Amino acid sequence: GAGVSQSPRYKVAKRGQDVALRCDPISGHVSLFWYQQALGQGPEFLTYFQNEAQLDKSGLPSDRFFAERPEGSVSTLKIQRTQQEDSAVYLCASSSPPYNEQFFGPGTRLTVL
Amino acid sequence: DAKTTQPTSMDCAEGRAANLPCNHSTISGNEYVYWYRQIHSQGPQYIIHGLKNNETNEMASLIITEDRKSSTLILPHATLRDTAVYYCIVRLMNRDDKIIFGKGTRLHILP
Repeated sequence: GAGVSQSPRYKVAKRGQDVALRCDPISGHVSLFWYQQALGQGPEFLTYFQNEAQLDKSGLPSDRFFAERPEGSVSTLKIQRTQQEDSAVYLCASSSPPYNEQFFGPGTRLTVL
Repeated sequence: DAKTTQPTSMDCAEGRAANLPCNHSTISGNEYVYWYRQIHSQGPQYIIHGLKNNETNEMASLIITEDRKSSTLILPHATLRDTAVYYCIVRLMNRDDKIIFGKGTRLHILP
């Protein structure tokens, strides 16, 4: 039973580059969450999917951030024209009824130079 | 904003009990207290949750005061592998919703 996996684990981007971060949730999990974690802070919510539907994107900090989950399984978080303030760990979590316990992946550490 | 307050950091000697406090004075009647921890370079991991009774599992014990305004997570015999950031969260049980984390408590287990 594999857990949530994320790739790449580490990403270095030059300011202005576009990046794509991938999340493979636990097979069959209905819900998928993305969080952003700045250094020394707790994770902060970005967006949430139920199957392929993006039900909440209120946490996305700007229109440079875009997430998709087209087939209701794998999700991609895309950041366009990266800025230094985008440097953070991006965490993905998946869950399913009835308990909706969120299982987290190891995160992708993004460093924007 | 997070609805809990925790100390920024704590130390505990290896082999001793680690007692991590949390204040949640605005908790509502149907909200549970959840604890997660985050070991370096990993995602948060669920530890335990409770409503008003004390709870125990293989990882920890959770003691909730009678007025439910505070709680304590107890790691009975701390090991070096328990060094992590511990988050206390209040939320509805089994809710399919985002988790609101605070800054947590950074627990250092000292050899």
